[in-house]
Amino acid sequence: GENVEQHPSTLSVQEGDSAVIKCTYSDSASNYFPWYKQELGKRPQLIIDIRSNVGEKKDQRIAVTLNKTAKHFSLHITETQPEDSAVYFCAAYQGGSEKLVFGKGTKLTVNP
Amino acid sequence: NAGVTQTPKFQVLKTGQSMTLQCAQDMNHNSMYWYRQDPGMGLRLIYYSASEGTTDKGEVPNGYNVSRLNKREFSLRLESAAPSQTSVYFCASSTTTSVGNQPQHFGDGTRLSIL
Repeated sequence: GENVEQHPSTLSVQEGDSAVIKCTYSDSASNYFPWYKQELGKRPQLIIDIRSNVGEKKDQRIAVTLNKTAKHFSLHITETQPEDSAVYFCAAYQGGSEKLVFGKGTKLTVNP
Repeated sequence: NAGVTQTPKFQVLKTGQSMTLQCAQDMNHNSMYWYRQDPGMGLRLIYYSASEGTTDKGEVPNGYNVSRLNKREFSLRLESAAPSQTSVYFCASSTTTSVGNQPQHFGDGTRLSIL
């Protein structure tokens, strides 16, 4: 089955800096990779996703890159703001199934 | 549209008691999921249902049962609650289109404490 590793587990940056979170996956048949943001006490919410036929996707200050050969994908947040502080989860669908496997999360703190 | 609705939002049980967590979605999604979230452990899949009439075990199914009542509703039952089941439980739903898997949408969660 699929296994998703996520690093780092905690990340602290100064406001305006960039933040990068990295994930690796094991199932070469995985083809869809969503990223979720979870604020304290709230539900996880999708912030960006990428499919295996695309190498990079951007949405304003957020971008995701995918390297299928190396089986890793990354989240990049530029010009970080205090409201970006949250836990971020990467995930990968197990190939050929409806099962989504999550990384263990990264707690991002943006210091004013 | 309400999206994914979970009830109750909070519950305190005594060890050995039983209860059912309810989940309903109004997005006409085929797939529904139950996760538990514990500090430092991320989201762990308990059970999922890829379509009405089917259910499959996830990573941590022991101590739980599920029922896919119809396309909209997917319930999670704890037959004999244990302190180790103290957690936040999330229900989610998703669908698959001609493009492929689509993102999961989550409910607000149920905070469950077992004393």
